[in-house]
Amino acid sequence: DTAVSQTPKYLVTQMGNDKSIKCEQNLGHDTMYWYKQDSKKFLKIMFSYNNKELIINETVPNRFSPKSPDKAHLNLHINSLELGDSAVYFCASSQTLAANYGYTFGSGTRLTVV
Amino acid sequence: AQSVTQLDSQVPVFEEAPVELRCNYSSSVSVYLFWYVQYPNQGLQLLLKYLSGSTLVKGINGFEAEFNKSQTSFHLRKPSVHISDTAEYFCAVIHTGGFKTIFGAGTRLFVKA
Repeated sequence: DTAVSQTPKYLVTQMGNDKSIKCEQNLGHDTMYWYKQDSKKFLKIMFSYNNKELIINETVPNRFSPKSPDKAHLNLHINSLELGDSAVYFCASSQTLAANYGYTFGSGTRLTVV
Repeated sequence: AQSVTQLDSQVPVFEEAPVELRCNYSSSVSVYLFWYVQYPNQGLQLLLKYLSGSTLVKGINGFEAEFNKSQTSFHLRKPSVHISDTAEYFCAVIHTGGFKTIFGAGTRLFVKA
């Protein structure tokens, strides 16, 4: 049973399209995150939710909109995709907002915008 | 605000040799520290963490790390590496009471036969 699962694993799409990435965790964790990993492996936090409440909203274009229907799910919708959005997007979860036990990561969604 | 610096972007090492991956952090408050490993085409996996107490922490796969408050360092070590340890390693920090974990830029460990 996968603890944090993301779909799809790969996503190839054209500029200007709208796409969604879904994430689900079955660990009973309170907090979920979206991270973006660029081609140099640098990880940048985008959003975090705690029990469906938005906690962190980094400087991310408003074309990116997260949605958390319940604490086990955190989806990411991206409008008007641009070439620069190409990256690997990771969903993660932590037991609590304090994250002192660390994160559990999904396996990533590789987004390629052409 | 806290920050994390991984001093080496790449570390090549021969199989069965020891390795140290270096991490320094800066923070004006106390922190929790972590090391994660990312194998090719996979997500990150927690190797070990320092919360408090003993400054030497042991993790999975034979790795350990030592917290040094005066040096603000949290270096990762393994006495004898295997080919299968080839991966990207990330140091991360969150200040106690904070909500945002900051990751270093990563160190690519390449183990050669």
